[in-house]
Amino acid sequence: KQEVTQIPAALSVPEGENLVLNCSFTDSAIYNLQWFRQDPGKGLTSLLLIQSSQREQTSGRLNASLDKSSGRSTLYIAASQPGDSATYLCAAYPNSGGGADGLTFGKGTHLIIQP
Amino acid sequence: ETGVTQSPTHLIKTRGQQVTLRCSSQSGHNTVSWYQQALGQGPQFIFQYYREEENGRGNFPPRFSGLQFPNYSSELNVNALELDDSALYLCASSLSGQPNQPQHFGDGTRLSIL
Repeated sequence: KQEVTQIPAALSVPEGENLVLNCSFTDSAIYNLQWFRQDPGKGLTSLLLIQSSQREQTSGRLNASLDKSSGRSTLYIAASQPGDSATYLCAAYPNSGGGADGLTFGKGTHLIIQP
Repeated sequence: ETGVTQSPTHLIKTRGQQVTLRCSSQSGHNTVSWYQQALGQGPQFIFQYYREEENGRGNFPPRFSGLQFPNYSSELNVNALELDDSALYLCASSLSGQPNQPQHFGDGTRLSIL
C-alpha cells in the first residue's frame, strides 16, 4: 500500500528566502506525482504535475523534481512571498495497470512566510 | 472556463442521518473523483466515476455511494452517518479518466456530524 510522507510538517521563514519542501513515497510504481496548494478552508489548487518519465517541472517561482528510484520529490520555492503561505500537499497516482485508484496524499507541509 | 463547483459549502447533520453532496465538474471534464479530508490530514480517495460508472474505489464502506449524470455532474451519498464522517469532502474532475491528466479540485463541502 502506497504511503506518502511530507517533511517538515510545518515551516516558518522570512520573506525572500528560497525553500524546499520534501515528499517521499514508499512504492515507486507511480504514474505521476502532483503538488497542490491548500488555503485555509479551501479546496486544492494544482501547482505542478510530474509524469513518471520526467525529472522536473517548473512554473514561475516553483520547481518540482522527481526521483522515482529513491521515492522522493521536492518542491522548491524561490524568493518566497507572504502570499505563498498555505499548506502544500504532494500526491502520488499509482501505476496499477488498470482501474482507478485515486491519488494518495501526504499530510502536507504548513508554510508560513513572515513579512 | 468554469471550474469545479460543490454544494452545499457547509452542512450539519446528526448521527444516523443520510446526506447528499453535489459536484459540477470543470467544463470539458468527464471524470469525477471524491475525497474525504479529515482535519489535519491529507485527502483520502473515496471513489471515481467515469462515463456514469464507478471505475475505482478506495477503502470506504458501502454506505458511501455515488452517481454521475449524463452532464458529468456527480453526487456523493452517505447513509447512516457516524461522528467520524465529519470532514471536508472534496470533488475533483479530470479529462477522460486518464492518470496523466491533472485533477482539478473544488472548494469542498464541510460536513459536521453532531
